[in-house]
Amino acid sequence: AQKVTQAQTEISVVEKEDVTLDCVYETRDTTYYLFWYKQPPSGELVFLIRRNSFDEQNEISGRYSWNFQKSTSSFNFTITASQVVDSAVYFCALSDPTQGGSEKLVFGKGTKLTVNP
Amino acid sequence: DSGVTQTPKHLITATGQRVTLRCSPRSGDLSVYWYQQSLDQGLQFLIQYYNGEERAKGNILERFSAQQFPDLHSELNLSSLELGDSALYFCASSAQPTAYNEQFFGPGTRLTVL
Repeated sequence: AQKVTQAQTEISVVEKEDVTLDCVYETRDTTYYLFWYKQPPSGELVFLIRRNSFDEQNEISGRYSWNFQKSTSSFNFTITASQVVDSAVYFCALSDPTQGGSEKLVFGKGTKLTVNP
Repeated sequence: DSGVTQTPKHLITATGQRVTLRCSPRSGDLSVYWYQQSLDQGLQFLIQYYNGEERAKGNILERFSAQQFPDLHSELNLSSLELGDSALYFCASSAQPTAYNEQFFGPGTRLTVL
């Protein structure tokens, strides 16, 4: 069964520090997708990135970057020069095929990031 | 704003009652997913519909049911409510029911059972 582990329950940093959120996954599938979502204090889930298992290139989007390493089954997320607005709970998720031919998401427990001014 | 709407935003009810949560997917999206977020279980998939048909079931209790209507909106019905059903219920939508299409989440309905 698919499994996502986010070992860091809570992280606290000071503004402008870089921070990396870890995500380790388990799957027997050769084709799968990995996701990161952000849940700010307001509660909604905001999509950040989707990565398919065949694309191991790292991705950068502004201050956000993602490091996908198939060899270690990890999909880590780094925020550079963190800001107070980055304070949120971040979820890593893995696609999980269903018998109906579609796919649902399996989420990690989340990492709560607090960026202090 | 993801384009997915959920009503109501908050719901407070008593044990044993029945409630209905409503979700309207993004324009053009045919697939709707329901997830439950609780402190002890985290974010868990409940059920998925695609173009009116049930496609996948997760850890959904028998007391819970859902449907997707011809206009593609979906409702999640929770009955015989227990204290442990208190949670944030999310609806998500995607164009197709595969992970190639990212799921966009609504703002959630916070259910409190007293």
